[in-house]
Amino acid sequence: DVKVTQSSRYLVKRTGEKVFLECVQDMDHENMFWYRQDPGLGLRLIYFSYDVKMKEKGDIPEGYSVSREKKERFSLILESASTNQTSMYLCASSSPRRTGGRAFFGQGTRLTVV
Amino acid sequence: SQQGEEDPQALSIQEGENATMNCSYKTSINNLQWYRQNSGRGLVHLILIRSNEREKHSGRLRVTLDTSKKSSSLLITASRAADTASYFCATLISSGSARQLTFGSGTQLTVLP
Repeated sequence: DVKVTQSSRYLVKRTGEKVFLECVQDMDHENMFWYRQDPGLGLRLIYFSYDVKMKEKGDIPEGYSVSREKKERFSLILESASTNQTSMYLCASSSPRRTGGRAFFGQGTRLTVV
Repeated sequence: SQQGEEDPQALSIQEGENATMNCSYKTSINNLQWYRQNSGRGLVHLILIRSNEREKHSGRLRVTLDTSKKSSSLLITASRAADTASYFCATLISSGSARQLTFGSGTQLTVLP
């Protein structure tokens, strides 16, 4: 089975801190995604990547950056955390060739910024 | 803006009844997928329908796709209390090598025993 692992289940950070959320997948998938999920808003795409060192902005990239130095790892960076970035963050991976675009999700990181 | 929008936002039915959820989207797609999320957990893929398909079945799930109306529906037949969850549609759009997967806001389904 595909495994998508997010480094932390729960995280509490202070306003202004630089925050790193890590995601690792073990199935050599080309595509990786970062979403945030807020009540009533569903999942909103922050950034996605379709290859190493390649990244594309999603619907809400402001305040975030990403890094994909290795195929299996996709990092989401909050440059200066703010309280409005308190949310559930979900990472996913997929492969057009292997999964037909079906995405596999990690368990999520619930980030609280105080 | 959201690519996919689910309707209704919330649905409450009795065990044994059928549940129907709808999804509308805005742009041309490669495929449309439905996912399920139990409270506080990650999403689990349920079913995928390609843009050239009109209907697909998987167990108690039936998905339809109408590309002319840019809409899809998910039908869960003979619902069970364990089907209680949030359901999301997601559209896959290709742009060159990029494959963007965009989700809607979801339908919260409650199945009462």
